[in-house]
Amino acid sequence: AQSVTQLDSQVPVFEEAPVELRCNYSSSVSVYLFWYVQYPNQGLQLLLKYLSGSTLVESINGFEAEFNKSQTSFHLRKPSVHISDTAEYFCAVSDEGNTGKLIFGQGTTLQVKP
Amino acid sequence: EPEVTQTPSHQVTQMGQEVILRCVPISNHLYFYWYRQILGQKVEFLVSFYNNEISEKSEIFDDQFSVERPDGSNFTLKIRSTKLEDSAMYFCASSSNGRINSPLHFGNGTRLTVT
Repeated sequence: AQSVTQLDSQVPVFEEAPVELRCNYSSSVSVYLFWYVQYPNQGLQLLLKYLSGSTLVESINGFEAEFNKSQTSFHLRKPSVHISDTAEYFCAVSDEGNTGKLIFGQGTTLQVKP
Repeated sequence: EPEVTQTPSHQVTQMGQEVILRCVPISNHLYFYWYRQILGQKVEFLVSFYNNEISEKSEIFDDQFSVERPDGSNFTLKIRSTKLEDSAMYFCASSSNGRINSPLHFGNGTRLTVT
């Protein structure tokens, strides 16, 4: 059965500093990986996804994630964070049945401080 | 941009009472989902729904839970007799074709508090 582990429950960082949010998964089949973001009092929004092709995927707001099959990881990075990036970030893997069902990690709260 | 809407944003109910959580998916979407997140825990899949029937459900989704699409626009989750452990944030989601290349669009969630 697939699972997702986000080792860091909270990541405090100063504005303009780089950040990495870690995500590891386990799966016995081909995987599709996602990062969702939840801003305060809002729903989950898709940040970026890996379906196939280039292992480095990027979002429109400067985040990127790299699919690393050998390390079963899909870490999320940003070279310079803003206050507005403060949110909860969820890593997810697709269900092996390719039904659209997602299996989520526990989430990481990114706290950007001035 | 179209969005999934959920009402109410917060629901407080007493143990043993029935509660209905409401969702309006994106209008041209065909697949609908409910997830929940107990405070401090993972977001968990509850059920998926397509063509007016449940396509998949988790072991959490027992006989106390039911889903319905009563009028072609709303998608509801009913809990017949709430328990304290049902307290959680409940998220509705929809996708256009239920395939992995069609991402899930989530609502803002309903926080259910059972007292």
